Amino acid sequence: AQKITQTQPGMFVQEKEAVTLDCTYDTSDPSYGLFWYKQPSSGEMIFLIYQGSYDQQNATEGRYSLNFQKARKSANLVISASQLGDSAMYFCAMISRGGANSKLTFGKGITLSVRP
Amino acid sequence: DTAVSQTPKYLVTQMGNDKSIKCEQNLGHDTMYWYKQDSKKFLKIMFSYNNKELIINETVPNRFSPKSPDKAHLNLHINSLELGDSAVYFCASSQVRAEFTNEQFFGPGTRLTVL
Repeated sequence: AQKITQTQPGMFVQEKEAVTLDCTYDTSDPSYGLFWYKQPSSGEMIFLIYQGSYDQQNATEGRYSLNFQKARKSANLVISASQLGDSAMYFCAMISRGGANSKLTFGKGITLSVRP
Repeated sequence: DTAVSQTPKYLVTQMGNDKSIKCEQNLGHDTMYWYKQDSKKFLKIMFSYNNKELIINETVPNRFSPKSPDKAHLNLHINSLELGDSAVYFCASSQVRAEFTNEQFFGPGTRLTVL
């Protein structure tokens, strides 16, 4: 079974600074994909970034980067130059089967608050 | 244009009633999902359909019955609503591939409140 662990309490960061949101995972499958989603207070789920288990390089998408450490089974999200609009809940998720049986397993989420 | 849409956005109803939530995607994806987000914000998959065929059914009570009339639509019907059904229900869709890069696109969610 897959498991995603997000244990940080509510996180705070000063505007324009960088912040790291932690995520560890557990799976016995040799291949998997890792995702981060953002959920602002308005409630929608917004895809941020994807990392494949066999990807050689860490994923980056604009101000988002994923610090993927396969041996440690961690996939931390780094947000650079935080903005007030980054205040939201952030979910780490994993898919460990391809094809039609794929499903996202989510962590419990981390609340990020950006201070002006 | 909305990629994944759900109606209604809010649903308030009495215990014991039957209600439906509709979901439509215009992305041409072949797989659709229903997720439940509880009061503690935990998201868990309920069902998935691939080309109108039920693929995943995650031990959801049989009061919940998904229906996919075509691959662009996946509706969720709930019978005999209970207080514990109060949650936000998200529909999602993806284009499934053999690898894992099948990002799922989420609808705006339906907040169900059972009184």
